Amino acid sequence: SQTIHQWPATLVQPVGSPLSLECTVEGTSNPNLYWYRQAAGRGLQLLFYSVGIGQISSEVPQNLSASRPQDRQFILSSKKLLLSDSGFYLCARWVNYGYTFGSGTRLTVV
Amino acid sequence: AQTVTQSQPEMSVQEAETVTLSCTYDTSENNYYLFWYKQPPSRQMILVIRQEAYKQQNATENRFSVNFQKAAKSFSLKISDSQLGDTAMYFCAFINSGGGADGLTFGKGTHLIIQP
Repeated sequence: SQTIHQWPATLVQPVGSPLSLECTVEGTSNPNLYWYRQAAGRGLQLLFYSVGIGQISSEVPQNLSASRPQDRQFILSSKKLLLSDSGFYLCARWVNYGYTFGSGTRLTVV
Repeated sequence: AQTVTQSQPEMSVQEAETVTLSCTYDTSENNYYLFWYKQPPSRQMILVIRQEAYKQQNATENRFSVNFQKAAKSFSLKISDSQLGDTAMYFCAFINSGGGADGLTFGKGTHLIIQP
């Protein structure tokens, strides 16, 4: 199984509060993992990419950070959320020449 | 940098009709993968079909097929015998063969509505 688990499914947070979204994956070890964000009515934007424990690449400057403390765990964080951080966040993995996505987290910053 | 263009923001067809969604892309790479993803209201990203650039034969998956024109950098999706459950956003996406740092490049999507 190459299942991806994401939680929470929905989150409402006040401006200035911290954020932690977690993604865990099953199956093949040492997967390439990704965080994407989708703003309302838009396509997906790549935020972070990781090829292994402690290895993070950022695609766009932003208020967010990512960490990979374990092989199958990928975390998206923020110290202080902004209104513009609202969106739908998807974790994904590259496996067998294809992408598998988690079910996503809908984040609303109020 | 790669770009993916979907020129149809929204399309509407009657149930059982055939519909074609268009997608063009721009890349200097020779080896890559193209995908169509479906995103229903639940927002789960569901893989519909995949095409490897080195394969000349167009990919098919049941009612879904693609018309891949590598020289023209075109990758359209045809849905035959459309069903109400096909109503969703459809995204065309591209990735280099290594699946590395670039991740998937997505188009802006086409909202497909199947009318009863």
